[in-house]
Amino acid sequence: ETGVTQTPRHLVMGMTNKKSLKCEQHLGHNAMYWYKQSAKKPLELMFVYSLEERVENNSVPSRFSPECPNSSHLFLHLHTLQPEDSALYLCASSQASQLNTEAFFGQGTRLTVV
Amino acid sequence: GESVGLHLPTLSVQEGDNSIINCAYSNSASDYFIWYKQESGKGPQFIIDIRSNMDKRQGQRVTVLLNKTVKHLSLQIAATQPGDSAVYFCAENIGQGGKLIFGQGTELSVKP
Repeated sequence: ETGVTQTPRHLVMGMTNKKSLKCEQHLGHNAMYWYKQSAKKPLELMFVYSLEERVENNSVPSRFSPECPNSSHLFLHLHTLQPEDSALYLCASSQASQLNTEAFFGQGTRLTVV
Repeated sequence: GESVGLHLPTLSVQEGDNSIINCAYSNSASDYFIWYKQESGKGPQFIIDIRSNMDKRQGQRVTVLLNKTVKHLSLQIAATQPGDSAVYFCAENIGQGGKLIFGQGTELSVKP
């Protein structure tokens, strides 16, 4: 295990549903990330939180809403999604103040929008 | 477009052979590079990293080579095993923190 836990592992939701993805890290890190991984595509960075403050939002549609209540927890709130939003959503954490440091990833949530 | 990319989307090798996975990057300011391995149904896992002031780094059965002149990164896996079958991503980082830009990925398949 990497110390980053994501729940649920699988989620099927309708386009009118509201759901949330949860991420928790037990590594003492202070930066957390949401990535989207579609089939046959590179990981796309969605959001970056550093010291609980959102420092980056890579032109992500407003139907994705992140929340970082503390340095150990990160949520991704979903509403009125589209079928093309179906993907693997990966959470990662790292030490924000450290130069040249890797990010540690969770197992991901496989999201299917029907 | 993406600043980091891989030359081959798939690579098939015989068990016991050496594997070489390549990556090209375009941002000359990148100072840190990582190779990740992603098995089916799992998140990416760190394999090995290299800083821009180095041109080679070795781990257990893996070696990363960095050629800054041509902005090229490679991962060499010695004596490839079936358990090495996965998708391999290179990623680059600039400055502090773990914000990474990922390449497309190469799917490595090991034949017994």
